[in-house]
Amino acid sequence: GEDVEQSLFLSVREGDSSVINCTYTDSSSTYLYWYKQEPGAGLQLLTYIFSNMDMKQDQRLTVLLNKKDKHLSLRIADTQTGDSAIYFCAESKISGGYNKLIFGAGTRLAVHP
Amino acid sequence: DTAVSQTPKYLVTQMGNDKSIKCEQNLGHDTMYWYKQDSKKFLKIMFSYNNKELIINETVPNRFSPKSPDKAHLNLHINSLELGDSAVYFCASSQILTGQGQYFGPGTRLTVT
Repeated sequence: GEDVEQSLFLSVREGDSSVINCTYTDSSSTYLYWYKQEPGAGLQLLTYIFSNMDMKQDQRLTVLLNKKDKHLSLRIADTQTGDSAIYFCAESKISGGYNKLIFGAGTRLAVHP
Repeated sequence: DTAVSQTPKYLVTQMGNDKSIKCEQNLGHDTMYWYKQDSKKFLKIMFSYNNKELIINETVPNRFSPKSPDKAHLNLHINSLELGDSAVYFCASSQILTGQGQYFGPGTRLTVT
């Protein structure tokens, strides 16, 4: 997506941490989201963060938000083969008085033994 | 099961035909969406309905016509199908004022030959 940018690929060894980065453009975004898409499946909402937070932790997932730089990251601790998927970052944007999500192009995470 | 469901999962058809995709959610959400995901996995919103009212209508050919008979259902009808319509179409739903993210269906893979 033109408003949300992510690197396209990330390869990590099983057991290591993965960090997926995202930059967005709309400083008025109130929520930012991370979604996971496994092959042949829909998008699964992993976690989201409200724009007045710097960090959110949920089990193996840690989301960091740097509002000044409009930078969002997702850290997956102890990465497993089941974490192999495409991860999408999304920002909420106001359109006609309603929020819509703008997605990044997705980061393909490959976990190898 | 509590979910967003779509039918059919696969749709193969010839150019010029008219086809419909159906979506239903039983999450009690008031807003539903149609997204198109292209072969590069880029995800773009097409339409959104809030309580049966169209609220987001992106630049989509008017061959595409959404219909929401009630807030739990959103259908997509496509007239005069073209090769470029081949994609995966995802339905999603959310509760619009909460910001807690959108929940996606499993997708409909449309192939136009």
